[in-house]
Formats: sequence, structure tokens, C-alpha cells
Amino acid sequence: DTAVSQTPKYLVTQMGNDKSIKCEQNLGHDTMYWYKQDSKKFLKIMFSYNNKELIINETVPNRFSPKSPDKAHLNLHINSLELGDSAVYFCASSPQTSGREGEQYFGPGTRLTVT
Amino acid sequence: GNSVTQMEGPVTLSEEAFLTINCTYTATGYPSLFWYVQYPGEGLQLLLKATKADDKGSNKGFEATYRKETTSFHLEKGSVQVSDSAVYFCALSDPGGSEKLVFGKGMKLTVNP
Repeated sequence: DTAVSQTPKYLVTQMGNDKSIKCEQNLGHDTMYWYKQDSKKFLKIMFSYNNKELIINETVPNRFSPKSPDKAHLNLHINSLELGDSAVYFCASSPQTSGREGEQYFGPGTRLTVT
Repeated sequence: GNSVTQMEGPVTLSEEAFLTINCTYTATGYPSLFWYVQYPGEGLQLLLKATKADDKGSNKGFEATYRKETTSFHLEKGSVQVSDSAVYFCALSDPGGSEKLVFGKGMKLTVNP
């Protein structure tokens, strides 16, 4: 059983388009995240939701909009895509359990290429 | 702010060699410390963690000790295998309890037979 899944795995699109990436977790976790990993493997948090509420919103262009329809899903919508948005985007989730702080479970990633 | 500095590599070792990946951190308060591993084409996986000073985390032959006096959490393995080839990330959790992880830049390890 896949714990954290993302679709699509690969996304190739042109500048100016709007695209979405979906994430689902079946672990029963309350908190979900989106990370961006650049070509040098540097990983940076973008957003975090706890039980459908936004709790972390890093300095991310407002072209990026997360949406959490329920606590098992966190989708990422990107408007007006730019070349610099090309990266691998990871979804993750974590339990809100004492003693397990910081333990995060990552999806397989979505490689976005903007041409 | 909180930050993590780690060896960037890339590093290439022969099978059965000793591995050390240095990691130091800067944080206010007392963060928990983590090593995550990313195998080729996959997402990150938690490798080990330590939540307070002098704690040792261990898993799959890897070890790291939380050293408050040197603000370090170096990863070690006595004998690496080809299957250990991956990118290794040191991370700390925000002591403020926000569940936010701050990652180092990652180090790519290649182990040759």
C-alpha cells in the first residue's frame, strides 16, 4: 500500500500555463507539506497544512496555491508557470504524536519541467 | 534563524569503506535532529533521529550522536554497501514546535563494488 502518493510523476508544460499536482496520504496523519527540491537537491518547505488549515506559508510566490479538501489530501496549484518553477515537488505528511515530532513521510515526487 | 550545514560532496567510496558525513546546526532552543536518505528516483525516508543532547540515533548500521557542545550530528557507518548509494540530508526540527524541518543541502554518496 502506498503511504503518500503524488500525481503526476512527471509534468512537462510550457511557460504561462496553469497546472496542478495532487497528493494523498493513507496514513491518517493530520499534517501535510509541500517541498520544492531544486536541481542541486536543495530541499525547501513551501507550505504546511494541519487538518485542512494552513500553518506554514514560506516565502512563495502567490502563483502557488495549496488546497486541502480534507486532511488526507493536499493539492498544489501553480498559475502562470515560469522556467524557474522547474523542480521536483515533494508532498509529505507527519503524525501529530508526542515523541514523533519531525518524522515526515515523503511521496515519490513530481518532476515539473517548464519549457 | 535555524540552519543546517553539512558536507555537500559528492563522495565516492568503495564497498566496506568507513563513512562519515559531517553536519552542524544553528538553532535557538533545543531542536530534534534527523538524518533523511533519498534513494535514486524516490522521496526522502527518515533514517534516524535524536531528540536531546547525547542521544544516539541508529538504523541500518548508521549512527549519529547529538552533540550539544559542538552543535553537531555527524552520520557514520563502519562499512558501506553499494545499496547505501543515495543522497543524505541532515535536518533539524523547529524548536518552536511548528513541525517545520530545516534541511541541509544534501550529500550524494556513491558506493562502488
